[in-house]
Amino acid sequence: EVQLVESGGGLVQPGGSLRLSCAASGFTFSSSWMHWVRQAPGKGLVWVANINPDGSATNYADSVKGRFTISRDNAKNTLYLQMNSLRGEDTAVYYCATVVGGAAIYGAWGQGTLVTVSS
Amino acid sequence: DIVMTQSPDSLAVSLGERATINCKSSQSVLHSSYNKTYLVWYQQKPGQPPKLLIYWASTRESGVPDRFSGSGSATNFTLTISSLQAEDVAVYYCQQCYSLPYTFGQGTKLEIK
Repeated sequence: EVQLVESGGGLVQPGGSLRLSCAASGFTFSSSWMHWVRQAPGKGLVWVANINPDGSATNYADSVKGRFTISRDNAKNTLYLQMNSLRGEDTAVYYCATVVGGAAIYGAWGQGTLVTVSS
Repeated sequence: DIVMTQSPDSLAVSLGERATINCKSSQSVLHSSYNKTYLVWYQQKPGQPPKLLIYWASTRESGVPDRFSGSGSATNFTLTISSLQAEDVAVYYCQQCYSLPYTFGQGTKLEIK
């Protein structure tokens, strides 16, 4: 069974940093594209970033480019999201997700971790 | 960016009746080289992550009840629940996986009338 477990969320002041982790199991992590998707409280889903299986290629939403970094450790089956220069509008539940069908079709999601940016 | 627009924003349907949710993309999400339509539907219940329902516009994910169906092509899509059950109360999202940035519709909240 595919399992994705996020951690690392919490309360952080504007301008601060946080690193999210996503521990994966039940599938071949090292062969899978991985994505981060976020959801502000009471709002819709927004794609944040993705990374290819060996970590050599990444893509970001314009809203986080230059502030967030997606990375992975295939030896540890873990995905990361380093978030710097955080803003109030980054407040959201952050989900990691893996894909199916060779496209950004999110077949499995974690339960999410809440990031709150507030003073 | 491809803009995804769902209608209606909310919908109330009686148990056993049909529910229809529409999704429109600002440009075609049909990939002619692969002959696939890069349109996905998710269901999200309160406090839970989204759940994959339909991909390639009309392919039902394994384990999804056959009362859920997807249709449409190019820029106009529909999610249909043929006979609404109480457990179908949720927010439904469409998403295009055709090009970066991958974008979602604003969501449609489905309730029981």
